[in-house]
This record gives sequence, C-alpha cells and structure tokens, in this order.
Amino acid sequence: AQSVTQLGSHVSVSEGALVLLRCNYSSSVPPYLFWYVQYPNQGLQLLLKYTSAATLVKGINGFEAEFKKSETSFHLTKPSAHMSDAAEYFCAVSDRGSGGSNYKLTFGKGTLLTVNP
Amino acid sequence: NAGVTQTPKFQVLKTGQSMTLQCAQDMNHEYMSWYRQDPGMGLRLIHYSVGAGITDQGEVPNGYNVSRSTTEDFPLRLLSAAPSQTSVYFCASTVAAGGPDKTQYFGPGTRLLVL
Repeated sequence: AQSVTQLGSHVSVSEGALVLLRCNYSSSVPPYLFWYVQYPNQGLQLLLKYTSAATLVKGINGFEAEFKKSETSFHLTKPSAHMSDAAEYFCAVSDRGSGGSNYKLTFGKGTLLTVNP
Repeated sequence: NAGVTQTPKFQVLKTGQSMTLQCAQDMNHEYMSWYRQDPGMGLRLIHYSVGAGITDQGEVPNGYNVSRSTTEDFPLRLLSAAPSQTSVYFCASTVAAGGPDKTQYFGPGTRLLVL
C-alpha cells in the first residue's frame, strides 16, 4: 500500500523567506503526486500535480515542486512567502493505471504553514 | 458549475442517531469518494464509487454506508453515530476516463460532532 510522509507538522517562516515543505512517498513505481492546500474552514484546493511529464512542476500562487525518483521525494517550494500562504498543505499520491481503485488518494498528515510578518 | 456541494455544513448528533451526509456534483464525474479529516491524521478514505451502482470500501469504512444511484449524488450514511465519528467529512470527485489527470475536486466539507 502507498504511504506518504510529510516531514514537519508545522513550519514557520518569515514573510519574504523561502518556503520548503517536504514530502516523501513509498512506492517502487513512481506514482502520481499532488499537493493540495487547505485554508481555514475550507475544502482542499489543488496546488499542483506530477503525472510523469516534466519533473519540475509549477502550480498556482507561485508554488512549484520537483519530482526526484532517486530520493522518492516531491518537495514543495516557493521562493518568497506571503502572508496569504498561511494554510495547511497536504501531499497525496495515487497509483498509475486506469482501474477504479487507482483513483484513490493517499494523503500525508499535513503541514501547517505559518507566515510571520 | 456549482462543482461539488455538501450538506449540511455542520451537524450535531447524539450517540446512536443516524444521519445522511449529502454530496452532489454537476461535472458529470464518474469517480466520487468520501474522506474524513481528523487533526494530525490527514485525510482518510472511507468509501468510493467509480460509477452509478458501483461502490467499494476505502481505508476506514466501518460504521458508514454508501450507495450511488445516480452519477450526480453520493450520500454517506452513518448508521448509528459514535463519538469516534466526530470529524470533518469531505466529498470529492474526478473524471475517471483512464487518463493521467486524476485531479480530485473537493467539496467544502461537513463538520460533524457526535455527543
């Protein structure tokens, strides 16, 4: 079964600083990878996804992530944090393949990002 | 498009009561699923459906029942609520066309408190 590890349940940065949120997956076959963001009292919104095209993926709001097969990682970065980036971020994976069960998402436990003025 | 809608937004139940959480989508998505979100646990899959009349269990199905009679609707039933089912419930949907785009679209959530 797939598993996802997000290192750091809480990350705190200053406004304008680099944001780095870590995600590692466990699978011998590279899965599809996703980063979702959740603002307080809201649902989840897709930030970006990796589906085996370019390994550097750009998403919304200036975020990007790089797929590194050798490290089984898909870390999320943003060069300069903004106060509006404060939210909880979830990394998720799904298996490749077209069968129904391959649409299931397995989520990490989430990382709460705090941005200090 | 309204996207994925969920009702109610918030519900308080007493132990042993039953209720149905509603989920609907207007994007003609084949795949729909239910997750629960608990602090420090991320989101865990309860049940999913790949089309009308087809459902299957996820990671934490006990105490929940689902059915899918139409493409649009995927209700989640709590048969006899327990305090352990206090959680935030999210419904999600995606096109299950066999391609690489497995982006799931989430509803706004239902916050459930079981006393």
